[in-house]
Amino acid sequence: EVQLVESGGGLVQPGRSLRLSCAASGFTFDDYAMHWVRQAPGKGLEWVSGISWNSGSIGYADSVKGRFTISRDNAKNSLYLQMNSLRAEDTALYYCAKAGSSWYTDWGQGTLVTVSS
Amino acid sequence: DIQMTQSPSSLSASVGDRVTITCRASQSISSYLNWYQQKPGKAPKLLIYAASSLQSGVPSRFSGSGSGTDFTLTISSLQPEDFATYYCQQSYSQITFGQGTRLEIK
Repeated sequence: EVQLVESGGGLVQPGRSLRLSCAASGFTFDDYAMHWVRQAPGKGLEWVSGISWNSGSIGYADSVKGRFTISRDNAKNSLYLQMNSLRAEDTALYYCAKAGSSWYTDWGQGTLVTVSS
Repeated sequence: DIQMTQSPSSLSASVGDRVTITCRASQSISSYLNWYQQKPGKAPKLLIYAASSLQSGVPSRFSGSGSGTDFTLTISSLQPEDFATYYCQQSYSQITFGQGTRLEIK
């Protein structure tokens, strides 16, 4: 059974940093691209970032480009999102998602990031 | 960026009804269109991928169609567990989602 478990969320002041992690199990992690998708409270889904199986291809939404960095450690079956210069509009539930070709077959339960002073 | 517009934004229907949700892309995305269902407090669940392929384990009352810019998700006979929010997602270029369609019980 595929399991994706996010962690690292919390309350952080504007301008500060946070690092999210996603621990994967139940599948061969380094066979798949992985993505982060977020959902602001009461709002829709927004793609944040994605990384290919070997980290050779990385993409970011314009809203986070230059502030967020995605990475992965295949030896640890883990995905990361380093979030710097956080803004109030980054407040959201952050999901990690396993990418099957160009769709998301599995999602974690999310970790909540709240940016507020 | 490719904009995805779903209609309607909300919909009231009854158990047993046939329901259709539409998703329109701002430019052609071929068949790079996926549909998800999300229930309150839960992660999204993949229903349909590549416009019309049913994800394993998803009931056959769900179906998808379309290509280019216009796509539909159809639920042939609504069941109580189908009341949820539905999102389309394009993966032709930088990924974007539709704004969601909330399906409520009439």
